[in-house]
Amino acid sequence: DTEVTQTPKHLVMGMTNKKSLKCEQHMGHRAMYWYKQKAKKPPELMFVYSYEKLSINESVPSRFSPECPNSSLLNLHLHALQPEDSALYLCASSSDRGESDTQYFGPGTRLTVL
Amino acid sequence: RKEVEQDPGPFNVPEGATVAFNCTYSNSASQSFFWYRQDCRKEPKLLMSVYSSGNEDGRFTAQLNRASQYISLLIRDSKLSDSATYLCVVKGRGSTLGRLYFGRGTQLTVWP
Repeated sequence: DTEVTQTPKHLVMGMTNKKSLKCEQHMGHRAMYWYKQKAKKPPELMFVYSYEKLSINESVPSRFSPECPNSSLLNLHLHALQPEDSALYLCASSSDRGESDTQYFGPGTRLTVL
Repeated sequence: RKEVEQDPGPFNVPEGATVAFNCTYSNSASQSFFWYRQDCRKEPKLLMSVYSSGNEDGRFTAQLNRASQYISLLIRDSKLSDSATYLCVVKGRGSTLGRLYFGRGTQLTVWP
């Protein structure tokens, strides 16, 4: 089973709201990722967690706050977003056991910031 | 210079056609290479990994030329369902382990 699940599928929020995106995988993967993807562009890496520790933060604004409660779950907390943050947010996971391991993506959360 | 440069496309081909996509990467230390497929408003899905010896999966053939830092994907006998964006992806090595570098993607439309 190569499934990564994400909730919600769609989210509309105002600039003053606080919301969270959730991601879950049960493949025993030890690396999890958040990406942001704008229309007609490739995914852009935001954060990487390896063995539940944040290993990469691509200089993402603090209004995005990742959290990894355990090896199967990854959250992205959102606060005071801007309209330009509207995008598809993708979660991915990989086994992180070697250079050939593959990242599997969830279906994404389509976020609209009003 | 971008890490991964990819044919801009778009490619519009009839059913049954053979189409080839190309991609180059800048970091000679890169070790892992992939083609992902992304349908409109969906997530990227792994199409195939790319190995130096070349690999084939049905109608799809991927090639890697390390000397030229060049990756290709050949699709034979195109189907309508092949219409998608194809992303060339390179995985970093060493301190960038785990990081994927994406090409901009090549859009393919197969028409009946």
